[in-house]
Amino acid sequence: ETGVTQSPTHLIKTRGQQVTLRCSSQSGHNTVSWYQQALGQGPQFIFQYYREEENGRGNFPPRFSGLQFPNYSSELNVNALELDDSALYLCASSRQGENEKLFFGSGTQLSVL
Amino acid sequence: DAKTTQPNSMESNEEEPVHLPCNHSTISGTDYIHWYRQLPSQGPEYVIHGLTSNVNNRMASLAIAEDRKSSTLILHRATLRDAAVYYCILRGYSGNTPLVFGKGTRLSVIA
Repeated sequence: ETGVTQSPTHLIKTRGQQVTLRCSSQSGHNTVSWYQQALGQGPQFIFQYYREEENGRGNFPPRFSGLQFPNYSSELNVNALELDDSALYLCASSRQGENEKLFFGSGTQLSVL
Repeated sequence: DAKTTQPNSMESNEEEPVHLPCNHSTISGTDYIHWYRQLPSQGPEYVIHGLTSNVNNRMASLAIAEDRKSSTLILHRATLRDAAVYYCILRGYSGNTPLVFGKGTRLSVIA
């Protein structure tokens, strides 16, 4: 039922570079959120988009930015990559509403060297 | 955000029931209790959620204490495919509030 796809699955970048990660939401879902998961930790909320507007943000600096498109696909952009940005980046889509389930993709594993 | 406390790890034999505990002593009256699990090399997946009453679905049961300060996720017959990290999450009532994950409980299932 998941239907959330992320690309690429793996990515290697060097410190200071910029990266764009992509997510295709499940059909019928108009809300997308992004999470960062460091090794051995639970996912941490980055931000959420609803109808192409950011409507929630976690404790991440402005160099983490995003976009949601009219077809509800989404991008996560990270500028000026740091070594600590190495993590699994997860996209989740849902319908807007009370306690709607989140459907997660399998993530993009980003390594910053 | 209210916090939850879970054991770091648990072990179960295949085809036996598993009870995964979660403490949430600072839960507010409008917080729902959600459970997600994360299988190896996958994103988290929804398991179940509830407010006050016990809940059942095809994956699991959720037993909620009367004072709501603790809950238990019950897998009725563990299989090898249930080996995962299980997260207990409190989620506010209004709209699409984000999920706040802790470290969860790593469940190992032994054949």
